[in-house]
Amino acid sequence: AQKVTQAQTEISVVEKEDVTLDCVYETRDTTYYLFWYKQPPSGELVFLIRRNSFDEQNEISGRYSWNFQKSTSSFNFTITASQVVDSAVYFCALSDSTGNQFYFGTGTSLTVIP
Amino acid sequence: SQTIHQWPATLVQPVGSPLSLECTVEGTSNPNLYWYRQAAGRGLQLLFYSVGIGQISSEVPQNLSASRPQDRQFILSSKKLLLSDSGFYLCAWARDRVGYTFGSGTRLTVV
Repeated sequence: AQKVTQAQTEISVVEKEDVTLDCVYETRDTTYYLFWYKQPPSGELVFLIRRNSFDEQNEISGRYSWNFQKSTSSFNFTITASQVVDSAVYFCALSDSTGNQFYFGTGTSLTVIP
Repeated sequence: SQTIHQWPATLVQPVGSPLSLECTVEGTSNPNLYWYRQAAGRGLQLLFYSVGIGQISSEVPQNLSASRPQDRQFILSSKKLLLSDSGFYLCAWARDRVGYTFGSGTRLTVV
């Protein structure tokens, strides 16, 4: 069965600190996709990144970076030098090879304190 | 570019009243469409998805139903709302495994 676990329910950091959001997934598929979404207070979900199961290269986009490790079934998300605007709920998600079914974690609420 | 419209943004309805939430997508054809609900616990629960006109798959038995009368229109309905139907409803579309694009959501409060 497919499953995504985000063990951290809430995290608070002081502005400019680095923070890592954990994501662990379960799947029996050999081909799958992993995602991160951001949900600011407005409620809309914003797509951040997609990673396929054959690409374990880490990715960096500005202050955001992602560490994908198949050996530990993890897809962690790090924000460097956090800012107040990073305060949001972040969701990790897994899809099967068809991309038609998505499985979301329960989300991690990040609060960046100025 | 593709856009997704969802309305209304907020809705307060009495228990037992009907519900109709509409979602439309522009700029793409034959999208996969989804309805999610986010309850107070923040988790996203898949309610329905559709891979084509008239094709609806239900993930969770409940008081709600969905319809897809047109290729780019997806409607979430209820004949009689329950208190437990309160939540934040998100429509989304996906194509070619890129990932979801979500609508702006509808906050439903059943009183």
